Amino acid sequence: KAGVTQTPRYLIKTRGQQVTLSCSPISGHRSVSWYQQTPGQGLQFLFEYFSETQRNKGNFPGRFSGRQFSNSRSEMNVSTLELGDSALYLCASSPDSLSSYNEQFFGPGTRLTVL
Amino acid sequence: GNSVTQMEGPVTLSEEAFLTINCTYTATGYPSLFWYVQYPGEGLQLLLKATKADDKGSNKGFEATYRKETTSFHLEKGSVQVSDSAVYFCALITFAGNNRKLIWGLGTSLAVNP
Repeated sequence: KAGVTQTPRYLIKTRGQQVTLSCSPISGHRSVSWYQQTPGQGLQFLFEYFSETQRNKGNFPGRFSGRQFSNSRSEMNVSTLELGDSALYLCASSPDSLSSYNEQFFGPGTRLTVL
Repeated sequence: GNSVTQMEGPVTLSEEAFLTINCTYTATGYPSLFWYVQYPGEGLQLLLKATKADDKGSNKGFEATYRKETTSFHLEKGSVQVSDSAVYFCALITFAGNNRKLIWGLGTSLAVNP
């Protein structure tokens, strides 16, 4: 089975621009979560999507948004980029189960640098 | 609220040394507990997990026991290798109704020298 893939792997943008990151989950996985990873803050949960619906949301401003398509692929968008948005953005997928937790499978991440 | 506290790194050990990375948590109910590992340049991988008190998770020589009385899930390995150099994350999951939340520690960087 192919793993979680994220594109692009590296991205350089300037302040004020917007960016879209893409994530393809493992085949059959219906839940996709997004995280921001920075050295000082560790992993911060952005949001989780399941069946094209946002299920959970972290404490990020409205500039951060996402969506999920019918094939479970997900995109994350950040508008009006700020220097502080420079981070590794990780996507994770899981087969959804609410009765017991299934592990999340992570992609390699997209390294975003904002200049 | 729910939280995870890990010992701060970096931790530097010589090959074949004993490893302990402390993790304590605060959570309501009965969370499941996890250790994830992130090797340089890669995403996170599940290392081991425990879903109820006194469970022991183990994988690749690493072990951690779910201690409800001390709210801890310390990671141990008897003899580390250079290839174990990575960042280790402790995490817990809680359920609130139909919502689940994964709460992460800040990570502990481990460097193993030959």
